[in-house]
Amino acid sequence: AQSVTQLDSHVSVSEGTPVLLRCNYSSSYSPSLFWYVQHPNKGLQLLLKYTSAATLVKGINGFEAEFKKSETSFHLTKPSAHMSDAAEYFCVVTEYTGTASKLTFGTGTRLQVTL
Amino acid sequence: KAGVTQTPRYLIKTRGQQVTLSCSPISGHRSVSWYQQTPGQGLQFLFEYFSETQRNKGNFPGRFSGRQFSNSRSEMNVSTLELGDSALYLCASSLALGLAGGLSSYNEQFFGPGTRLTVL
Repeated sequence: AQSVTQLDSHVSVSEGTPVLLRCNYSSSYSPSLFWYVQHPNKGLQLLLKYTSAATLVKGINGFEAEFKKSETSFHLTKPSAHMSDAAEYFCVVTEYTGTASKLTFGTGTRLQVTL
Repeated sequence: KAGVTQTPRYLIKTRGQQVTLSCSPISGHRSVSWYQQTPGQGLQFLFEYFSETQRNKGNFPGRFSGRQFSNSRSEMNVSTLELGDSALYLCASSLALGLAGGLSSYNEQFFGPGTRLTVL
């Protein structure tokens, strides 16, 4: 079974400072990993995905994540936070059953951005 | 291209009632997945439909069911509602999710805004 652990339930940064949201995963297979963002009262939007190509993945809005197999990590970073980045972020791992796949979500990290 | 739409957006029911939620995927998408989001349990996978067939199911009781129509629209039904069923129900569509024959592939899932169900 696959699982994903988001190490921080809440992260607070000042606008203009770097963002680091941590994610560790467990997988029996070569995983596909994703980061989604959810703004209040909105659905989820895909930020970026790793599917066994380049280990450094660039996403939308300046976010990127690095897949580190040796550390089973897929941390999300952004060099400079913006107020509009305040949202909940979910790290996701896929599980393939041969004919279908299922997403397993982390518990989420709420990012707060202050002036 | 229109996004994933879910109706209704908000719903209030009482214990013991049943409810049906609807999801219209992005045109051309054949896979529809449903998720339940609660503060305590987070986001949990309910089930996934592809070409009118349920391909995958999460760990929810039989009170939760779904179906998909030939136009890929999907409905989920919850019978005998309990207080704990209060949640945001999210629907996501994709072109396809997983391939048979030992290959695996991921197509991005596009999420709708959700239906917020409150059970009193």
